[in-house]
Amino acid sequence: EADIYQTPRYLVIGTGKKITLECSQTMGHDKMYWYQQDPGMELHLIHYSYGVNSTEKGDLSSESTVSRIRTEHFPLTLESARPSHTSQYLCASSDEIRVGMDYGYTFGSGTRLTVV
Amino acid sequence: DQQVKQNSPSLSVQEGRISILNCDYTNSMFDYFLWYKKYPAEGPTFLISISSIKDKNEDGRFTVFLNKSAKHLSLHIVPSQPGDSAVYFCAASARLNYGGSQGNLIFGKGTKLSVKP
Repeated sequence: EADIYQTPRYLVIGTGKKITLECSQTMGHDKMYWYQQDPGMELHLIHYSYGVNSTEKGDLSSESTVSRIRTEHFPLTLESARPSHTSQYLCASSDEIRVGMDYGYTFGSGTRLTVV
Repeated sequence: DQQVKQNSPSLSVQEGRISILNCDYTNSMFDYFLWYKKYPAEGPTFLISISSIKDKNEDGRFTVFLNKSAKHLSLHIVPSQPGDSAVYFCAASARLNYGGSQGNLIFGKGTKLSVKP
């Protein structure tokens, strides 16, 4: 059973529309991330948050914005969608690394966004 | 410039044989390395990791080898099974020694593994 949830799974929307991609986790993780991935390409970090009221831009420039008002919720918003925003958006969360223990991000199932 | 490189976009292996997926990195600050597995229309799932103080980590059929001098790591799957067919992503971070934003994961482009029955 998934501990991190993304909705919607698929979204087709017209140019100029405002959209919000939802991401929620039930693990109490402080750190959350948004990655963007195009087919055959690496996952690019576009936003991250280390806790409530903390948000930072990632390595890949993005016109989207994020908010972190609650620990469990990290939504991503596009004010005016364009065809160039067509991609898969993956949300992830993580706990602090502990030496000697395996560590990894937990990813949601992703949102496949198509802007027409 | 890519910091994590997976130069083979695809790999095809017969069931029961060994699959070897390779990954190279350029940032000498990286001290933690991970492999993720991704099925279509799903998010990546964590598979196995290794810290820079080790050169090998095993978990069942999966073994990761790290060669720090060559800045190279590899994932071995033995024996390969049809259910292993997926895209495998290599990821790296400088989390152990540096923390902060250096701890964010940097991903390669992935290698699509096909295991034929």
